[in-house]
Amino acid sequence: GQQLNQSPQSMFIQEGEDVSMNCTSSSIFNTWLWYKQDPGEGPVLLIALYKAGELTSNGRLTAQFGITRKDSFLNISASIPSDVGIYFCAGRTQGGSEKLVFGKGTKLTVNP
Amino acid sequence: EPEVTQTPSHQVTQMGQEVILRCVPISNHLYFYWYRQILGQKVEFLVSFYNNEISEKSEIFDDQFSVERPDGSNFTLKIRSTKLEDSAMYFCASRAASWQFFGPGTRLTVL
Repeated sequence: GQQLNQSPQSMFIQEGEDVSMNCTSSSIFNTWLWYKQDPGEGPVLLIALYKAGELTSNGRLTAQFGITRKDSFLNISASIPSDVGIYFCAGRTQGGSEKLVFGKGTKLTVNP
Repeated sequence: EPEVTQTPSHQVTQMGQEVILRCVPISNHLYFYWYRQILGQKVEFLVSFYNNEISEKSEIFDDQFSVERPDGSNFTLKIRSTKLEDSAMYFCASRAASWQFFGPGTRLTVL
């Protein structure tokens, strides 16, 4: 089946630092999404990317959809303690049910 | 802001028992999903539902699983005879057009 490789698995950073994480896939997706999950909660959508090469920002978050449509990265600038959580990339399949295929997540810890 | 709700938040059951997990999708959404997340692992697709029928299911969604939209608001996932390995967080999601919105999840613990 389709697999997303997300890296790094975890990150420990100081408040104020910038963060970068990425996802790659052997398959093409027509949409890439980035979600954040807090403990005991469901994933919350951060950014959605629809076109190859698209660069989209949401506050301190910036994400890009790779030209090949097989990869994406998420950057967080000037991290703050509430950025702590698990960040998942997800690819949306084209047609059919448009189910989401998730990466394994990047666990972010921000030290104040 | 409309949101997906799920009940119960935590369900503990004995192996072999039936459980029903309930979801209320966002009211104008037409596509519904169940996903599962085993502790510490990624979120995995189980099943999608549209127009009162399953549109796609994963290999995880075997004969022990079923979904139903019994009325205009609820969307349920039933596990007929739970196994230890069914212990996980179960997330319901719904969408109107592009984005899937997730509920807070039900933590299922099978003893």
